[in-house]
Amino acid sequence: AQKVTQAQTEISVVEKEDVTLDCVYETRDTTYYLFWYKQPPSGELVFLIRRNSFDEQNEISGRYSWNFQKSTSSFNFTITASQVVDSAVYFCALTRTGANNLFFGTGTRLTVIP
Amino acid sequence: GAGVSQSPSNKVTEKGKDVELRCDPISGHTALYWYRQSLGQGLEFLIYFQGNSAPDKSGLPSDRFSAERTGGSVSTLTIQRTQQEDSAVYLCASSPSSRNQETQYFGPGTRLLVL
Repeated sequence: AQKVTQAQTEISVVEKEDVTLDCVYETRDTTYYLFWYKQPPSGELVFLIRRNSFDEQNEISGRYSWNFQKSTSSFNFTITASQVVDSAVYFCALTRTGANNLFFGTGTRLTVIP
Repeated sequence: GAGVSQSPSNKVTEKGKDVELRCDPISGHTALYWYRQSLGQGLEFLIYFQGNSAPDKSGLPSDRFSAERTGGSVSTLTIQRTQQEDSAVYLCASSPSSRNQETQYFGPGTRLLVL
């Protein structure tokens, strides 16, 4: 069975602080893909990153960075120098071999206070 | 180019009525997905299409829910005899193919309220 756990339901930070959103997953597959999506107040899910299970390189994109560790089944997301525009719900998701649908975590609501 | 579009953006209906929700995927995307986002259930998969075929309907919650896709493009999700528990945001996504490594791009959703 597949499961994605985002233990942090809500996080509040003050602008310019760094924040890390945790994601822990469970799967028996050796090949799988992990995703992060952002859902701003407008409601539309915005794709942020995709990572396959064979690529454990960390990735940085501007203020965003992702730390994938298979040993701990985690795919954490860090926002550096947070901004008010980062306020949103962030979802971690997983697809597995032979299945096409995304398994989503329950999301983490991030509020950045000016 | 244009993203995934959905209509209507909001729908209010009375219990027992039928509703149709429409999704226009990104041009050229062969795979199309429907998800439901509700307070109690989070984001849950409903059905996906590869072309006009629906290989996986496992997420449809009951036989009141059905979906079709025509011309490998537009898809319609139909809910018959709506119930209050159907109230949710219905999200559509598309991807270039149905391979699991493909990124799914989401539309803005249809917010359904059943009174």
